[in-house]
Amino acid sequence: DAGVIQSPRHEVTEMGQEVTLRCKPISGHNSLFWYRQTMMRGLELLIYFNNNVPIDDSGMPEDRFSAKMPNASFSTLKIQPSEPRDSAVYFCASSLTGEVTEAFFGQGTRLTVV
Amino acid sequence: GDSVTQMEGPVTLSEEAFLTINCTYTATGYPSLFWYVQYPGEGLQLLLKATKADDKGSNKGFEATYRKETTSFHLEKGSVQVSDSAVYFCALSDPGSGYSTLTFGKGTMLLVSP
Repeated sequence: DAGVIQSPRHEVTEMGQEVTLRCKPISGHNSLFWYRQTMMRGLELLIYFNNNVPIDDSGMPEDRFSAKMPNASFSTLKIQPSEPRDSAVYFCASSLTGEVTEAFFGQGTRLTVV
Repeated sequence: GDSVTQMEGPVTLSEEAFLTINCTYTATGYPSLFWYVQYPGEGLQLLLKATKADDKGSNKGFEATYRKETTSFHLEKGSVQVSDSAVYFCALSDPGSGYSTLTFGKGTMLLVSP
């Protein structure tokens, strides 16, 4: 398996523009997580899907952020409009829901909003 | 709620030195414990795990023992190499909180010099 695949790897956009980050989880995994990593706050869980259904989105910072998982093999995280403080590395991870949750991470998308 | 506390970095060591990175946790149930490692420019990778009290996880010369009495899961390695330079994250998964998600510490950067 190719692992968790994220695109793009790098994104530079202007303030106010819409940004869409994409994730393809490992085939057969039924849990998907979006994390944001910054120097100040470390690794923050934004949203968690189980069997394509959003279970916990309490980490989504505000209404400008939205996430979807239309099927088991694809998820998006959208920021509209983007702001400079959204600059961070965004990670997608997937796992099999079970007694021991081992998450597999993608390589991340480095977002810079200027 | 669940939480993980790690020692702040960076931890700076010479090659072949002994490494300890402290990690303590708070959980409502009986969590599984993990150490993840992040090399520069990459996503997180599972380093080792332990699922119950007194279990010892080990991989690539790293070890950590699940200590329920002290709620700790300290990471150790007897002789570090330059290639071990990375950020190390302690994490827990607590099925007692409902769905199994991972709660991460803030990470500890390790710098090993020749």
